[in-house]
Amino acid sequence: DAGVTQSPTHLIKTRGQQVTLRCSPKSGHDTVSWYQQALGQGPQFIFQYYEEEERQRGNFPDRFSGHQFPNYSSELNVNALLLGDSALYLCASSTTWDTLYEQYFGPGTRLTVT
Amino acid sequence: SQQGEEDPQALSIQEGENATMNCSYKTSINNLQWYRQNSGRGLVHLILIRSNEREKHSGRLRVTLDTSKKSSSLLITASRAADTASYFCATDAGGEGSNFGNEKLTFGTGTRLTIIP
Repeated sequence: DAGVTQSPTHLIKTRGQQVTLRCSPKSGHDTVSWYQQALGQGPQFIFQYYEEEERQRGNFPDRFSGHQFPNYSSELNVNALLLGDSALYLCASSTTWDTLYEQYFGPGTRLTVT
Repeated sequence: SQQGEEDPQALSIQEGENATMNCSYKTSINNLQWYRQNSGRGLVHLILIRSNEREKHSGRLRVTLDTSKKSSSLLITASRAADTASYFCATDAGGEGSNFGNEKLTFGTGTRLTIIP
């Protein structure tokens, strides 16, 4: 049973460019959350997708957008990249039916903006 | 913004000793979870404690929760070199009336634990 997978592992982009990160949730999970983790900090919540709609959103600008597909996989898009967007982007999956409230994290995508 | 803070920010102990990390948070919570992260990679879920629980055990881990002080502690007993990692507490503030589990998690700043062989 595959866990949460993310692609790519590493990415280098230039300021002003756009980037798309991908996440496949753990089998049986229907909810995907995205987090940004700057170096030396704890992860910060970006948004959560359920039933192909954005359900919750953290304090991130509109440059950050996402999508969830019918197979529950998800994409995170960031437009007009800034140097400050350099971070580890983590995807977490969960299921609405899990009263244990556990969220399973993927290995992350390391984004470097130059 | 971060929900809370872990204390200490960094901790180095000898293998075999116990490690204690503390976490403080600011708002009411549904549950509090502890995660481990190795070398800036993905987070591994360690243990969850609900707001109506005071103490929970899992293997070498012991977690306490004091909602009146808005604080939690994680104790790792008989530490091993493989326990070297960063540890984060995360709060799920689903709140009263929330019937949708797995709300957004709000993480603290982390404790970097080093176990010296």
